[in-house]
Amino acid sequence: GAGVSQSPSNKVTEKGKDVELRCDPISGHTALYWYRQRLGQGLEFLIYFQGNSAPDKSGLPSDRFSAERTGESVSTLTIQRTQQEDSAVYLCASSLSVLEKLFFGSGTQLSVL
Amino acid sequence: KQEVTQIPAALSVPEGENLVLNCSFTDSAIYNLQWFRQDPGKGLTSLLLIQSSQREQTSGRLNASLDKSSGRSTLYIAASQPGDSATYLCAVRPGGYNKLIFGAGTRLAVHP
Repeated sequence: GAGVSQSPSNKVTEKGKDVELRCDPISGHTALYWYRQRLGQGLEFLIYFQGNSAPDKSGLPSDRFSAERTGESVSTLTIQRTQQEDSAVYLCASSLSVLEKLFFGSGTQLSVL
Repeated sequence: KQEVTQIPAALSVPEGENLVLNCSFTDSAIYNLQWFRQDPGKGLTSLLLIQSSQREQTSGRLNASLDKSSGRSTLYIAASQPGDSATYLCAVRPGGYNKLIFGAGTRLAVHP
């Protein structure tokens, strides 16, 4: 596709519910990243994929967070039993390789009530 | 642990001024450094990527320099315009790691 696409753009959920966030990277990009940005704060690394494998999950804040990638394409970030502190913008990025420029999607604004 | 700091946190300038945004990082062992801009409610747009072996990169009115040994990079914006108003983020890719480490950003406002 023309760019990195994320859906939904906005998600409002109740505390305790599960949510799934989707990322469609640029076609042919082997590297995919998830970041989180809380209001007024910097970008926080969550997880990195190379192909369908996740060699670096070090940023996932708890076992309520998981992510997968299939077909070296679409990735899904799942948050179980959401908490209010999970409210943030979740950003996905992709690149041709780990040493190339990152291209970001517009993000999913998650609000947990 | 790699840390990235950006100074100033915010900057307001009149249109037409040349300006410099600063980025410093604590560990000089990096693969590359990337500058982004972020507009409100939107994702990040890549501006310039400097590999560790390079000293600078230019794109239009933007010039980014890298001094790896001193752990510093600067983003120079010439003849600033109101459309340049955004938050500018610096990010480094540490050696041996696949993720980018971001600074907190400089919020730039260019007024007519």
